[in-house]
Amino acid sequence: EAQVTQNPRYLITVTGKKLTVTCSQNMNHEYMSWYRQDPGLGLRQIYYSMNVEVTDKGDVPEGYKVSRKEKRNFPLILESPSPNQTSLYFCASSSSTDGGTEAFFGQGTRLTVV
Amino acid sequence: GQNIDQPTEMTATEGAIVQINCTYQTSGFNGLFWYQQHAGEAPTFLSYNVLDGLEEKGRFSSFLSRSKGYSYLLLKELQMKDSASYLCAVAGGSYIPTFGRGTSLIVHP
Repeated sequence: EAQVTQNPRYLITVTGKKLTVTCSQNMNHEYMSWYRQDPGLGLRQIYYSMNVEVTDKGDVPEGYKVSRKEKRNFPLILESPSPNQTSLYFCASSSSTDGGTEAFFGQGTRLTVV
Repeated sequence: GQNIDQPTEMTATEGAIVQINCTYQTSGFNGLFWYQQHAGEAPTFLSYNVLDGLEEKGRFSSFLSRSKGYSYLLLKELQMKDSASYLCAVAGGSYIPTFGRGTSLIVHP
């Protein structure tokens, strides 16, 4: 089954404690991206990657890091989480084959930083 | 960069037709998407337009005018389960979509 898998689904952590949210896709997609979703602000892009070892900042990259060492994985790293990073996070992947094909989303990770 | 604008909230009656508009400004254009999102869930794909005109898919249709930077999503024969947020997204030069803030649609009996 074609899917994007995020882990964990829910996470409560304390300020300053480094964490990683994993994202893996099994569709051999070139493009992957991370979004955060907050009430009234919609989905905002954090980082994106157009292929292995190629990553770029989105609209709200501050406080986040990513890596793309393999095609299937695109982890999101919060080196020192702060309460303003409490949010619902989505990972997505899409293919470049047809240009602009639909993005497939993971189930989301609800992060709370206290 | 990209700027995408859509109404915050709309209400409609079960069985009716509703049109959700989206206007955008973008450098580079590789298509416009509509997604549906129920509260707390991941967005699900509804439609993709890259050429001008109307794309019909069952009860849902999407229209695009590139020269006007304008799209709409048309939902016919509304059902209660259509109550959700509808997200307009534009793929610019990077092919990766940027999303608007979404339109919350409330369908009432």
